[in-house]
Amino acid sequence: KQEVTQIPAALSVPEGENLVLNCSFTDSAIYNLQWFRQDPGKGLTSLLLIQSSQREQTSGRLNASLDKSSGRSTLYIAASQPGDSATYLCAAKNSGGGADGLTFGKGTHLIIQP
Amino acid sequence: ETGVTQTPRHLVMGMTNKKSLKCEQHLGHNAMYWYKQSAKKPLELMFVYNFKEQTENNSVPSRFSPECPNSSHLFLHLHTLQPEDSALYLCASSLLTEGMEKLFFGSGTQLSVL
Repeated sequence: KQEVTQIPAALSVPEGENLVLNCSFTDSAIYNLQWFRQDPGKGLTSLLLIQSSQREQTSGRLNASLDKSSGRSTLYIAASQPGDSATYLCAAKNSGGGADGLTFGKGTHLIIQP
Repeated sequence: ETGVTQTPRHLVMGMTNKKSLKCEQHLGHNAMYWYKQSAKKPLELMFVYNFKEQTENNSVPSRFSPECPNSSHLFLHLHTLQPEDSALYLCASSLLTEGMEKLFFGSGTQLSVL
């Protein structure tokens, strides 16, 4: 059974810093991996999706990498801003071609200090 | 806005009540999902519908009953719930295309069972 772990559980950094959030998964036979953002009391917003054949995806100040062999993914946030404060979740999908759900980590609660 | 709408946003119910949660998407997606988010726990997949057919039921108690009348609407019928069922219930949808099954989430229904 797939298990997804995110480290750290919480992180607080000053505005402007570059930072890395970590995600690890136990079953490397993933189909894709997604990073989401969740604001308090809200649903999830998809940030980046990396297919199993890809190594990284970029969107603006965000860059996500995937290393299937080591069971790891990282989300890099450049030049952090207070508006980046949220909980970031990663989720692994283990099979393709069907409507299977994702296995989520517990998330990293990020606070960017002005 | 993600294009996935959930109602109500908040719901308080007694253990003997019957209520329903509603989810609606007009993104042209063909798969819809119910997830449960409890404090301190990862998101848990409850039900998956693919082209209106239920394809996955992750051992959810029978007091939760899903209904998918068409590919745009999804309901979760609730009856005789327990206090431990209090959580944020999230609906999601996706378009099942090869490798790009990005999930779009609604804002959720915050459920409190008294």
